[in-house]
Amino acid sequence: GQNIDQPTEMTATEGAIVQINCTYQTSGFNGLFWYQQHAGEAPTFLSYNVLDGLEEKGRFSSFLSRSKGYSYLLLKELQMKDSASYLCAVRERGATNKLIFGTGTLLAVQP
Amino acid sequence: DARVTQTPRHKVTEMGQEVTMRCQPILGHNTVFWYRQTMMQGLELLAYFRNRAPLDDSGMPKDRFSAEMPDATLATLKIQPSEPRDSAVYFCASGRTDTQYFGPGTRLTVL
Repeated sequence: GQNIDQPTEMTATEGAIVQINCTYQTSGFNGLFWYQQHAGEAPTFLSYNVLDGLEEKGRFSSFLSRSKGYSYLLLKELQMKDSASYLCAVRERGATNKLIFGTGTLLAVQP
Repeated sequence: DARVTQTPRHKVTEMGQEVTMRCQPILGHNTVFWYRQTMMQGLELLAYFRNRAPLDDSGMPKDRFSAEMPDATLATLKIQPSEPRDSAVYFCASGRTDTQYFGPGTRLTVL
């Protein structure tokens, strides 16, 4: 089975950098995804890691260490609009792209 | 800009009534997922299809829930009879090989 852990809430200041961690335990791993979800809206795709290392996409970066079962999402130059829930999801190994989601980290960006 | 569409966006019904939610996946996507999201449980996978065939519905209460894909452009999730504990946001997502794209969700309230 899968077990995914991430902090429930985080607070950060506008313009700062914040790192959201995710640890996972899985019987078969085939990639890790990060989604952003604003209140009352659908999750939207942010990043995908299948190999170890850092993937950078603008202000957002995601890191993966498969040996440690660990990932983080790094948000730079925080903006008020970054206030949202950030969901870590692990894809099972197999022929499908079934995802198992963590419960999400609610990030509050303060002025 | 291709998107997953879901209808209805909001549904209020009384306990015992049948509820049908519909989803139109993005054209060309061959996997379709149904999720339920609540504050307590987060995002839970209910069922998913690949090439219209059901692959896994282990997350779905079989006695009252059913999911079908009558054709490539329509996926349905039905609850009969509905119960107050079914109140949640139901998301449909579609994808091809990697990323899943979420629809706007159906907010269901069962009184």
